[in-house]
Amino acid sequence: KAGVTQTPRYLIKTRGQQVTLSCSPISGHRSVSWYQQTPGQGLQFLFEYFSETQRNKGNFPGRFSGRQFSNSRSEMNVSTLELGDSALYLCASSQQGFSYEQYFGPGTRLTVT
Amino acid sequence: KQEVTQIPAALSVPEGENLVLNCSFTDSAIYNLQWFRQDPGKGLTSLLLIQSSQREQTSGRLNASLDKSSGRSTLYIAASQPGDSATYLCAVSPQTGANNLFFGTGTRLTVIP
Repeated sequence: KAGVTQTPRYLIKTRGQQVTLSCSPISGHRSVSWYQQTPGQGLQFLFEYFSETQRNKGNFPGRFSGRQFSNSRSEMNVSTLELGDSALYLCASSQQGFSYEQYFGPGTRLTVT
Repeated sequence: KQEVTQIPAALSVPEGENLVLNCSFTDSAIYNLQWFRQDPGKGLTSLLLIQSSQREQTSGRLNASLDKSSGRSTLYIAASQPGDSATYLCAVSPQTGANNLFFGTGTRLTVIP
């Protein structure tokens, strides 16, 4: 079974721009969660989608948004980029909806200049 | 809010040594606990998942224990190898069953050949 895939792997953007990251979960997994990893804050939960609905949201500003498609693929969007948004963005998928083992993708490294 | 702490932050051991990594969490109302490893610049690889009703899980040279009432987990690595060098992260999920993981800050392990 293929693992979680994320595209693109690396991205460089300028302050004020917006960016869209994509995540394809493991086949059969319906839950997709997004996390931000920075050296200062560590790994922080952004949001979770299950069956195309956002079910859970972390403590991030509204500039961070996401969606999930009927095939469970998910995208996250960050608008009006700030330097502090530079991070590794990881998505994870799991079976069903509740606290099953989570499998992570390789991440998208976003650099904001 | 759940807080997860990992001690030590960094550990360096000679090859072949057995070692223990520690994880503590402030809210014992968890659904499960997961241990991950992360290689530099990469995503997370799931090592072990312990449900809140379990005391321990084993996989090869790895053994993880959970004492939910005291808010502690340990990851025991037997006969360490240079390939074990990585950052090890523990994460807990809330008792509600939601998929938002709370991560510790990690222990960076170096195994010296």
